[in-house]
Amino acid sequence: AQKVTQAQTEISVVEKEDVTLDCVYETRDTTYYLFWYKQPPSGELVFLIRRNSFDEQNEISGRYSWNFQKSTSSFNFTITASQVVDSAVYFCALNDYKLSFGAGTTVTVRA
Amino acid sequence: DAMVIQNPRYQVTQFGKPVTLSCSQTLNHNVMYWYQQKSSQAPKLLFHYYDKDFNNEADTPDNFQSRRPNTSFCFLDIRSPGLGDAAMYLCASAQNFSGRGEQFFGPGTRLTVL
Repeated sequence: AQKVTQAQTEISVVEKEDVTLDCVYETRDTTYYLFWYKQPPSGELVFLIRRNSFDEQNEISGRYSWNFQKSTSSFNFTITASQVVDSAVYFCALNDYKLSFGAGTTVTVRA
Repeated sequence: DAMVIQNPRYQVTQFGKPVTLSCSQTLNHNVMYWYQQKSSQAPKLLFHYYDKDFNNEADTPDNFQSRRPNTSFCFLDIRSPGLGDAAMYLCASAQNFSGRGEQFFGPGTRLTVL
């Protein structure tokens, strides 16, 4: 069975601080895909990144970066120099035919 | 722009009164999903269609039904809503079942049951 664990329920930071969201997953599949989604207060799930199990390169997109470590089954997400607009719930997810979501981490960025 | 559209955004119904939520996608995707998301929880898959093939998750209550009359549209019918069915309902689409396929989500319909 697949499982995604986001141990951090809530994180609160002051604007411009960096914030790292942890994600640990379990799967028996050798080929799998990991995702991060952002859910702002409006409710829509916004796709941030997809990573397949064969690609362990870290990725940076603007202020966002992702650290995938297969050896520890982790796919962590860092927001650098956080902004108020980053306030949202962030979900890590694992995909075979359906997305198995973690419980989500609520990030609050204070001005 | 191609997207996943859900109507209405907010729906209020009475206990036991049937309600239908609507989803459409302009992406010509083969797969459509319905998720239920209760407050402060992760989205939970209710069912999905691959083309016209319907797949129910094992723990989806019988109270929930779905229809997909064509590629673009998918409906969620709640036959007798209970207070516990109040939630955000998210529709998503994907090109295929492959794990690499990104799921595109609609804005959701927030259902209130009085």
